[in-house]
Amino acid sequence: AQSVTQPDIHITVSEGASLELRCNYSYGATPYLFWYVQSPGQGLQLLLKYFSGDTLVQGIKGFEAEFKRSQSSFNLRKPSVHWSDAAEYFCAVAPGGGNKLTFGTGTQLKVEL
Amino acid sequence: DAGITQSPRHKVTETGTPVTLRCHQTENHRYMYWYRQDPGHGLRLIHYSYGVKDTDKGEVSDGYSVSRSKTEDFLLTLESATSSQTSVYFCAISGLAGGSSYNEQFFGPGTRLTVL
Repeated sequence: AQSVTQPDIHITVSEGASLELRCNYSYGATPYLFWYVQSPGQGLQLLLKYFSGDTLVQGIKGFEAEFKRSQSSFNLRKPSVHWSDAAEYFCAVAPGGGNKLTFGTGTQLKVEL
Repeated sequence: DAGITQSPRHKVTETGTPVTLRCHQTENHRYMYWYRQDPGHGLRLIHYSYGVKDTDKGEVSDGYSVSRSKTEDFLLTLESATSSQTSVYFCAISGLAGGSSYNEQFFGPGTRLTVL
């Protein structure tokens, strides 16, 4: 079955530490890939997206993600986390480049000062 | 800011009553979507629209209907609300004419619905 998996429900990191959030997908062809962030009580904001080309994509707020076809992964990274990065992060895919998104269940990030 | 508003932002209703949520956009995006967000499930697509009067079902459409009579408005109706429909509902838009990507979705602020 087609799916998007975010294996970590909660992650806690110290401010200034590096961060990697995992996302794996299960689709026949390379889908379009997205990372969104949601602060408490807010809507979702797009961090970055991958459609094709360079497998390392840069996004807003210092985030980047790397597409690895062999691992069916699209992990989100940040070299140094700030307290304001505490939020919930969602990976999403658009299978076959279509217009419907399928979301993972989210990873809640806590930042310790 | 992609110019999306949702109304109401909060609503408490009773089981069996009809409820309509409104999504309004100001930027002429072709596609509009309704999602629900529940703990442990992420966001799940309820219905979407690919043009005026053109709609289709998503993953969790049972108990919901939608209408889009003009480009800027997309209505979600719960004909007879049930407690299982207590959730946070998000509207999203994509497909700005002349824009860079039809796939990139922009989200509204959400509507928190409680069905007692």
